[in-house]
Amino acid sequence: GENVEQHPSTLSVQEGDSAVIKCTYSDSASNYFPWYKQELGKGPQLIIDIRSNVGEKKDQRIAVTLNKTAKHFSLHITETQPEDSAVYFCAASEDNAGNMLTFGGGTRLMVKP
Amino acid sequence: DSGVTQTPKHLITATGQRVTLRCSPRSGDLSVYWYQQSLDQGLQFLIQYYNGEERAKGNILERFSAQQFPDLHSELNLSSLELGDSALYFCASSPGATNEKLFFGSGTQLSVL
Repeated sequence: GENVEQHPSTLSVQEGDSAVIKCTYSDSASNYFPWYKQELGKGPQLIIDIRSNVGEKKDQRIAVTLNKTAKHFSLHITETQPEDSAVYFCAASEDNAGNMLTFGGGTRLMVKP
Repeated sequence: DSGVTQTPKHLITATGQRVTLRCSPRSGDLSVYWYQQSLDQGLQFLIQYYNGEERAKGNILERFSAQQFPDLHSELNLSSLELGDSALYFCASSPGATNEKLFFGSGTQLSVL
């Protein structure tokens, strides 16, 4: 089955700096890669997703890049703000694999004001 | 607010007992997913129902079962509880049968003493 590894497990940045979180996946058949943000006491919230036919996707301060050859994808947050502090999860799935979304271990992002 | 409602928010019980977790999906969503979140295992997919039928099964123990009712709400039943079952249980919903655009509830924190 799919295995998703996420790095780093914790990340501390200064407000205004950029943050990058990286994930690798094992199943070359995976074609859907979402990112979720989980704030304290809440459930994960989808912030951006990308399909394998696209190399990059942006949404305001957030961007995701995908390298299918290397089987890795990354989340980029620019101009970080204190409200970006949360745990971020990457995930991967393949449409025909019984809809099993495999999550990475999570990255705790701390943005210092 | 994701629109997904989970009850109860907290549940404390003893080993060997049985509990039921309830989930109401977003209005119009036909799929319900159950995930288990623990510190050492991360977010683990348990099971998915689509329009009342089991659609996909993940790492769900035989002691656990779920169902989706005609009104589309779902229940996760956990029996013969063990200390290791203590975790945060999330329900998520999506409009269709695929695992894209999941909306998560706030979770049920289960403590088995």
